[in-house]
This record gives sequence, C-alpha cells and structure tokens, in this order.
Amino acid sequence: EAQVTQNPRYLITVTGKKLTVTCSQNMNHEYMSWYRQDPGLGLRQIYYSMNVEVTDKGDVPEGYKVSRKEKRNFPLILESPSPNQTSLYFCASGSLAGQETQYFGPGTRLLVL
Amino acid sequence: LAKTTQPISMDSYEGQEVNITCSHNNIATNDYITWYQQFPSQGPRFIIQGYKTKVTNEVASLFIPADRKSSTLSLPRVSLSDTAVYYCLVVPQGYQKVTFGTGTKLQVIP
Repeated sequence: EAQVTQNPRYLITVTGKKLTVTCSQNMNHEYMSWYRQDPGLGLRQIYYSMNVEVTDKGDVPEGYKVSRKEKRNFPLILESPSPNQTSLYFCASGSLAGQETQYFGPGTRLLVL
Repeated sequence: LAKTTQPISMDSYEGQEVNITCSHNNIATNDYITWYQQFPSQGPRFIIQGYKTKVTNEVASLFIPADRKSSTLSLPRVSLSDTAVYYCLVVPQGYQKVTFGTGTKLQVIP
C-alpha cells in the first residue's frame, strides 16, 4: 500500500531534550516536506527536499533540522525543543513527474514541557 | 508564491451542492491549482487539481476561469462526512516552497 509513515505518532518531551521524528514513504517520491499545524495558523511548511541531499527552508525553519540521505526517508530533528514547538507535525511526499500533489502522513502530535 | 484567499467558513445542508471559491490574483503561468481536504487530526488529502477550464473526478469538480485568478471547488450533494477544512493551494510546477492558506471550514448540517 502506498503510504507515508511517521514515528512516533505521539510524543511528550521536556525542553532541551533532542528528538527526531521519522518520516518514510514507499512511493519513490523525489519531493518530501515537513509541516506544522497550530490552531488558527493552518499548515506551515518547515523544510522541504527536492531529492537526496537537497533540502531547503520553508516558512518556519527556526529550531528544526532535516536531512535527506535516502530517497525514502526525511527525518525532522529538534536539537533543543522548546514549548513553542508543541504542535501537530505532518510529513508529506510527492512526485516531481506529473501532477504536483502531495501525500500526507498521519501526523505526529508533540508536546514539549 | 501566489497568495490564496478563501472564505473562513461555510455551512450547507445535506444533499446540497457546495461551491467554495478561492482567489489567487498573482498566479504564475506554471502554477497549478490544487485542493485538499482535511479532517481533524488527520493529514490533508488530495481532492483535485487543475490548470485551466474544468476538471472533474469522482468526488469533485474544479472550475478555473480563463484568467486563472480564481478557482471554484464544487462538491455535489454533500453529506455529513464532507464536514472538513478545504484548502486551496497554488503550487508551482516542480513544487519547491508550498504555502497553505487558512482554508475553508465546511460544516454540513443534517
């Protein structure tokens, strides 16, 4: 089944404790992206990647890192999480050939205390 | 990036056709217009995409006038399960940076 998976789905952590949210897709998509969603602010893009080893900032990249060492994986790294990074995070992927549509993962709900 | 403007919310009775219009005045030549549906605590789901004129699939139709400065998502005979937030996006060919607007919250009433 074609899908985007994220782990963990729920995470409670404390300020300053490094964490990684993994994202994996099995559709051989070149494009992958991370978004955060907060009440009243909609979906905001954090980082995106056009292909392996090619990443770029979205609208809200501060406090986040990403890497794209393999085509299928695009982890989101919070080196020193802060309470303002409490949010619902979505990973998405898409093909660069044909329609520019994105397939979203189920989301990761993060609480930083 | 083309900015999009949509109504914040809409109500509709079950069985009615719903039209949600999105304004994107500074759309570029190579931009596509894409609509997503999102249920609470779930990732957005692709509904339909178009470049110009009319596109129809099994769930919706998308109307794009010749100047492409707006688009209208049409949902035929909505049901309670269509209650969701609908996002209009203008996506550059080849992706790159993508900006979601605030979306339209559609409430379907029995």
